[in-house]
Amino acid sequence: EPEVTQTPSHQVTQMGQEVILRCVPISNHLYFYWYRQILGQKVEFLVSFYNNEISEKSEIFDDQFSVERPDGSNFTLKIRSTKLEDSAMYFCASSEVGQGYEQYFGPGTRLTVT
Amino acid sequence: AQSVTQLDSQVPVFEEAPVELRCNYSSSVSVYLFWYVQYPNQGLQLLLKYLSGSTLVKGINGFEAEFNKSQTSFHLRKPSVHISDTAEYFCAVRKGAGGTSYGKLTFGQGTILTVHP
Repeated sequence: EPEVTQTPSHQVTQMGQEVILRCVPISNHLYFYWYRQILGQKVEFLVSFYNNEISEKSEIFDDQFSVERPDGSNFTLKIRSTKLEDSAMYFCASSEVGQGYEQYFGPGTRLTVT
Repeated sequence: AQSVTQLDSQVPVFEEAPVELRCNYSSSVSVYLFWYVQYPNQGLQLLLKYLSGSTLVKGINGFEAEFNKSQTSFHLRKPSVHISDTAEYFCAVRKGAGGTSYGKLTFGQGTILTVHP
């Protein structure tokens, strides 16, 4: 069964450093998403991406964040200058086009900012 | 905007007992509703979804949920749980047909179900 994959599974970085989290969505999916879950808190929407542009973003997704689909298979989330409060589990998801299509989630990348 | 409240942060039950995980939502527009499960060290897996039609929806692993529009609820049930159902369960909502959202899910805070032998 096709699945969303994410690398790395765990990333440790120092405050102020740039990080890139990588995702490979399911191959025939066209909508892509990033969510995050700070320990003990809700899963929060960050951004959705369709047709090579951001469709929607949350207030969390400020200028420090960016997304890119550099080739036909990868979808990346970049945090330019990490802060301690960026420590969280980051989930990538993808879905087919259409209102009701479910989002398939990857296993997540745990980002720890020290 | 939508919001989701899961009324119980933790639910302990014994194996083979029935369980209900409660979810209430708030929205000014029609919504689609979802339950996801997260096993330890894994991603979120869809259990079931309500888009339209019958208000009772059946999902994987014997779970079902009932959409109640008047009570704005979408409670998850299983008549007899197994040890393997121990996991965290998330209720989520997104704008329904005609909405301008591109699929953004709004999640509840999660309910940890622990099944004891």
